Amino acid sequence: AQSVTQPDIHITVSEGASLELRCNYSYGATPYLFWYVQSPGQGLQLLLKYFSGDTLVQGIKGFEAEFKRSQSSFNLRKPSVHWSDAAEYFCAVGALRNTPLVFGKGTRLSVIA
Amino acid sequence: DTAVSQTPKYLVTQMGNDKSIKCEQNLGHDTMYWYKQDSKKFLKIMFSYNNKELIINETVPNRFSPKSPDKAHLNLHINSLELGDSAVYFCASSQGQGAANTEAFFGQGTRLTVV
Repeated sequence: AQSVTQPDIHITVSEGASLELRCNYSYGATPYLFWYVQSPGQGLQLLLKYFSGDTLVQGIKGFEAEFKRSQSSFNLRKPSVHWSDAAEYFCAVGALRNTPLVFGKGTRLSVIA
Repeated sequence: DTAVSQTPKYLVTQMGNDKSIKCEQNLGHDTMYWYKQDSKKFLKIMFSYNNKELIINETVPNRFSPKSPDKAHLNLHINSLELGDSAVYFCASSQGQGAANTEAFFGQGTRLTVV
């Protein structure tokens, strides 16, 4: 079965600084990888996804993520963080068969002035 | 034109009561899910339905009973509510089974508080 690890529970960055959120997955075959964002009191919104092809994927709100098979990682990046990016970020992995997405435990991002 | 809608958004109830949460999707998706998000924000799958048929039932107490009258709806009924049931419950849908080349679309969540 697949699993996801997000090593950082909470990250604080200054507005305008760059951001990288880590995600490591465990799955025996080619994974389908996702990053979702959850703003306070809201549902989950998809930021970006990777299925195949180019290992650097672009998403909404200026986010990107890079799939590195050798490291079993799918880290999320943003060159310049805005205060509105403060939220909970979830990495998720999916599989070919009829299994639902498996989520990491999330990373809470705080943005300071 | 909300894609996945859940009602109610907030639900406060006493222990021992029975309650239902409704979910509807207008995306034409075949698969729907219920996830539970605990106080530590951990999201865990509870159930998965494909074309009204139960395909995933994780270790969830049998007090929880999903019902899918048609493929656009997946309701969650909870009997004899306990304090530990307090959580945010998310409904989601996707085009295929599991990830199947598509992402899951989530509702806004239902915050259940059992007192």
